[in-house]
Amino acid sequence: AQSVAQPEDQVNVAEGNPLTVKCTYSVSGNPYLFWYVQYPNRGLQFLLKYITGDNLVKGSYGFEAEFNKSQTSFHLKKPSALVSDSALYFCAVRDPSLGDYKLSFGAGTTVTVRA
Amino acid sequence: GAVVSQHPSWVICKSGTSVKIECRSLDFQATTMFWYRQFPKQSLMLMATSNEGSKATYEQGVEKDKFLINHASLTLSTLTVTSAHPEDSSFYICSANPTGKATGELFFGEGSRLTVL
Repeated sequence: AQSVAQPEDQVNVAEGNPLTVKCTYSVSGNPYLFWYVQYPNRGLQFLLKYITGDNLVKGSYGFEAEFNKSQTSFHLKKPSALVSDSALYFCAVRDPSLGDYKLSFGAGTTVTVRA
Repeated sequence: GAVVSQHPSWVICKSGTSVKIECRSLDFQATTMFWYRQFPKQSLMLMATSNEGSKATYEQGVEKDKFLINHASLTLSTLTVTSAHPEDSSFYICSANPTGKATGELFFGEGSRLTVL
């Protein structure tokens, strides 16, 4: 089985401050991990992924995430948040050993960046 | 590249009618597409896996006769909500995995908001 937990429903930060959105996962094998962002009434936009290799992955719009196997975490970070980063963020995991392409999504974290 | 298009973006229909939503991969082929349903401020719920040339695979609890899925070509999957009722009102999102890209991320459509009166 594969699952993702996003422990925070909401994250509020001031513009210019660091932003962190937390994610922990559970899979039986090595995970493929993803972050997506969703703006109101829109589909999901891909931010970044971890498949293998360097634990620190960099993605779109200045976001990065660090894969931590011992803590089974894949937290999303941005050093300096912008008001335009306000959106709904989803962490997702896939267990490649299952042989399909299904993603399991977390419940989502609403990020609000205040000016 | 890797653009997925959904149509229509918004649809309002009367109770009892059927509504078809299209999901197209514009610049890649997709043997597999996925249909999700999303309630306000909630996560995505996988409804079914759409397989080109074969029957869709439905998740537990999803009525296959209610939500008809057809994947007629490598670039098009359709979801038909049959005899729609107000409780079917939701945001429906499709995603596609480019054929042969085993490690890749899924690409999502912009979603279709269905309102059943």
